[in-house]
Amino acid sequence: AQKVTQAQTEISVVEKEDVTLDCVYETRDTTYYLFWYKQPPSGELVFLIRRNSFDEQNEISGRYSWNFQKSTSSFNFTITASQVVDSAVYFCALYGGATNKLIFGTGTLLAVQP
Amino acid sequence: DTEVTQTPKHLVMGMTNKKSLKCEQHMGHRAMYWYKQKAKKPPELMFVYSYEKLSINESVPSRFSPECPNSSLLNLHLHALQPEDSALYLCASSPWRGRPGQPQHFGDGTRLSIL
Repeated sequence: AQKVTQAQTEISVVEKEDVTLDCVYETRDTTYYLFWYKQPPSGELVFLIRRNSFDEQNEISGRYSWNFQKSTSSFNFTITASQVVDSAVYFCALYGGATNKLIFGTGTLLAVQP
Repeated sequence: DTEVTQTPKHLVMGMTNKKSLKCEQHMGHRAMYWYKQKAKKPPELMFVYSYEKLSINESVPSRFSPECPNSSLLNLHLHALQPEDSALYLCASSPWRGRPGQPQHFGDGTRLSIL
């Protein structure tokens, strides 16, 4: 079975703090893809990053960084020096060949206070 | 601005009405999706079209009827909906369903309220 777990339901930080959003996944596929999406109050899901199962290199994009560890089945997302505009729900998602579907975690609501 | 355009942004309808949700993309994507999202929940897949053919129907009630008239357009026809159908309906597209792992690009969604 495929599953994505985001144990943090809500996180509240003060602006300029660093924050890490956790994502743990389960799959039996050897080839799979992991994603992070951001959903601001407007509703649109904004694609942030994709990682395939063969690429464990960490990635940094501006204030965003991602840590993919197959050994612990985790794909965590860190925002450095958070800003109010980062306030949103963040979804981790898994795409595998078995289902050919995007499986979403339950999401983490991040509130960045000024 | 999102590259997937959904209209209308908001829709209020009675249980006996018939309405349609529209989705349009001009990225040349050949896979299009409908999702339903309830408050504080993740999106749930409803339908997938691949090359204008319905490839996945997640056991959605027949009061929801999808249509893909061409590669750029996706409609969701609504009839005799129930109050529990009130939700955010999201459309998405991706380059080709046969190319695994391509990111899906989402529209802003239609917020649907059933009276």
